Amino acid sequence: EAQVTQNPRYLITVTGKKLTVTCSQNMNHEYMSWYRQDPGLGLRQIYYSMNVEVTDKGDVPEGYKVSRKEKRNFPLILESPSPNQTSLYFCASSRSGVLLNSPLHFGNGTRLTVT
Amino acid sequence: DQQVKQNSPSLSVQEGRISILNCDYTNSMFDYFLWYKKYPAEGPTFLISISSIKDKNEDGRFTVFLNKSAKHLSLHIVPSQPGDSAVYFCAAREGSTGNQFYFGTGTSLTVIP
Repeated sequence: EAQVTQNPRYLITVTGKKLTVTCSQNMNHEYMSWYRQDPGLGLRQIYYSMNVEVTDKGDVPEGYKVSRKEKRNFPLILESPSPNQTSLYFCASSRSGVLLNSPLHFGNGTRLTVT
Repeated sequence: DQQVKQNSPSLSVQEGRISILNCDYTNSMFDYFLWYKKYPAEGPTFLISISSIKDKNEDGRFTVFLNKSAKHLSLHIVPSQPGDSAVYFCAAREGSTGNQFYFGTGTSLTVIP
């Protein structure tokens, strides 16, 4: 089944403790992206990747890192999490970031709480 | 600054009637527009899209209309069904530069049986 898989689904951590949220897609998609969803703000893009080893900042990149060493994986790294990073996170992928008719496919989300 | 706006946080419609969800955008460089549906505890699911060269796209009960001069997008669901009750997000892509997708804040649709 074609899907985007995020892990973990739920995560509670403390301020300053490094964490990684994994994202993997099995559709051979070139484009991958991370979003956070907050009440009243919709989905905001954190980082995106056009292909392997090509990443760029979205609208809210501060406090996050990403890497794209393989086509299928796009982990989100919080080196020193803070309470304002408490949010619902979504990973997404699409066949291409350039071609039209290339919608994003989303994972089921990771709810992160930083205390 | 929000480049994609959904000004109605919620909408209630009787089953069988038409649901119209609206979306406005500010960036004239957007070239691709999408609607997503989201159920609780799930990720957004792609519903329908339209490119900037068209003004209408249909897929079954769902039709998206694009008015470029007004920078306005709408999703029509006819007839509405209780299973359509969900949060709907509109999104737009700026393909000419950063290839970023921008999302609205969502409209919660309730279809009343």
